[in-house]
Amino acid sequence: AQTVTQSQPEMSVQEAETVTLSCTYDTSESDYYLFWYKQPPSRQMILVIRQEAYKQQNATENRFSVNFQKAAKSFSLKISDSQLGDAAMYFCAYRSSSGGGADGLTFGKGTHLIIQP
Amino acid sequence: DVKVTQSSRYLVKRTGEKVFLECVQDMDHENMFWYRQDPGLGLRLIYFSYDVKMKEKGDIPEGYSVSREKKERFSLILESASTNQTSMYLCASTESGLGELLNQPQHFGDGTRLSIL
Repeated sequence: AQTVTQSQPEMSVQEAETVTLSCTYDTSESDYYLFWYKQPPSRQMILVIRQEAYKQQNATENRFSVNFQKAAKSFSLKISDSQLGDAAMYFCAYRSSSGGGADGLTFGKGTHLIIQP
Repeated sequence: DVKVTQSSRYLVKRTGEKVFLECVQDMDHENMFWYRQDPGLGLRLIYFSYDVKMKEKGDIPEGYSVSREKKERFSLILESASTNQTSMYLCASTESGLGELLNQPQHFGDGTRLSIL
């Protein structure tokens, strides 16, 4: 079974600065998909960014980018120019390539990101 | 936009009651999921379904059952509610497929915060 580890229960960053959230995972598969989700106090889970394991290029979405290190099984999220609206719980998640996506995501325990004004 | 609707945002029930949590999605997705979210534990998969009347156990199915009589609706049932089932419950859906479709995110509802007294 796959496991996802987020070692930082809480992180704090000054507004406009850069912060990196860490995520490591354990799998025996060679093909899989990784996601970062954001959950603000409103509780809605929002997709931040996704990465296919077979792609070497790191995914980027505006101020959000990942550092995907397949050999190290690491998938960190970098948030540049942090904004107050980035304050939320962030979850790293893993999806197997088998099962047609039907077998759910495996989530880390989450990192609570605080933005200091 | 995909809409996943959970019938209740907050719910209070008593121990021993039979509890139904309802989830409806409007995008004709094949796959639907129920997760439980607890502080410090992240999201854990309870049950999932890849087609009408089909269901599979997730990581923590004990004490729960599910029903999927129609494609758009996926119900989570607590047969005899207990206090350790007090939690946030999140429903999600995604389309089925292989290859590129596997990088499609799961779409989440707003969650039901369930308290068992």
